[in-house]
Amino acid sequence: GAVVSQHPSWVICKSGTSVKIECRSLDFQATTMFWYRQFPKQSLMLMATSNEGSKATYEQGVEKDKFLINHASLTLSTLTVTSAHPEDSSFYICSPGQANQPQHFGDGTRLSIL
Amino acid sequence: GENVEQHPSTLSVQEGDSAVIKCTYSDSASNYFPWYKQELGKRPQLIIDIRSNVGEKKDQRIAVTLNKTAKHFSLHITETQPEDSAVYFCAASLGAGNMLTFGGGTRLMVKP
Repeated sequence: GAVVSQHPSWVICKSGTSVKIECRSLDFQATTMFWYRQFPKQSLMLMATSNEGSKATYEQGVEKDKFLINHASLTLSTLTVTSAHPEDSSFYICSPGQANQPQHFGDGTRLSIL
Repeated sequence: GENVEQHPSTLSVQEGDSAVIKCTYSDSASNYFPWYKQELGKRPQLIIDIRSNVGEKKDQRIAVTLNKTAKHFSLHITETQPEDSAVYFCAASLGAGNMLTFGGGTRLMVKP
């Protein structure tokens, strides 16, 4: 399957801090990047879809000014959680998309806001 | 939009028995249905997928069936082993490479 690198794997920080998560597709060019969020014991929920070089499309209820997504190249996308608060604590997972190919996921980033 | 329901939410079986997880979807345009296995604290891993032009697909102990008319699909695991214990998610999309809508997940426990 596709090789996806996501960093950092775990972040603990104070409320009000901004956190950047990087996702790289290492063995193919991802024209699309999907960002999911997973709360404990729950399913994965799509947050946003980004296409290389254009603005991301956010799902209903996801604040675009809080979750900044940049997809500047075909191999790198970043998600920045701005001014994070305890309710933002979650498991964030990226998934590069490639037409007609199954999706694979990054290792995920566990974000804990104190 | 798409809505995917998954049952049961928890499933406990004895080692060697079979396990079946069922999902239904709402959007008749969905045509790609992957299944993922997620172990605690780890990424979801694709274990099998099926496209709408196929009714059944098998890979060793794992099989998936699809009924397009009824809009439901199922995962079958035979000869379960303790290492099969994990959370399993079904998903649906408009095609491989498109956004996935996930079911709620099934926690499978295989007792040795």
